[in-house]
Amino acid sequence: QKEVEQNSGPLSVPEGAIASLNCTYSDRGSQSFFWYRQYSGKSPELIMFIYSNGDKEDGRFTAQLNKASQYVSLLIRDSQPSDSATYLCAVGGIKAAGNKLTFGGGTRVLVKP
Amino acid sequence: NAGVTQTPKFQVLKTGQSMTLQCAQDMNHNSMYWYRQDPGMGLRLIYYSASEGTTDKGEVPNGYNVSRLNKREFSLRLESAAPSQTSVYFCASSELGTPNEQFFGPGTRLTVL
Repeated sequence: QKEVEQNSGPLSVPEGAIASLNCTYSDRGSQSFFWYRQYSGKSPELIMFIYSNGDKEDGRFTAQLNKASQYVSLLIRDSQPSDSATYLCAVGGIKAAGNKLTFGGGTRVLVKP
Repeated sequence: NAGVTQTPKFQVLKTGQSMTLQCAQDMNHNSMYWYRQDPGMGLRLIYYSASEGTTDKGEVPNGYNVSRLNKREFSLRLESAAPSQTSVYFCASSELGTPNEQFFGPGTRLTVL
């Protein structure tokens, strides 16, 4: 069983709508959670990270973490065509694990004008 | 400040040939990583170096070797390339502790014929 699971998509969203992406993880010891955006042919770039249960907002992006249910989500408000990309969820453990991250397979998002 | 740089950007090898992928970072990070990315598979960790002088295997280390040359540089070597190693390779770096977000280089697209 893959440790970090994401729906591969594509998730098709009208421009201006909210895109909702989900990610589940299997390791209950996970402590840090990241969302990366990757445009086609480019490298991943960090959008947000979250450590505590609840919501964290940064501009049009909101990350939500529920450790009891082992899921983390990303909301993109007022979606724009420039948000069309693959979004990677990454989960990190304790410092002694060498700061390793485990990545999900990514969700492809397509924002239609 | 270039961040994480990788060379070469593209490479075509024949089965059995060897090559070294170079990675350097100028952010004074302690930890460095090598990933491969295949369609639909997300990022898979090959090797990592938590700090200068240490290296450890990741999820898919077979067929690869690494060298942490100094704090800035971390190279990945394919001794005898196989078609199964056709992939996009990303190098990343991070600081120890939290938040341990990783910063990625532009990637190397490798084809093994």
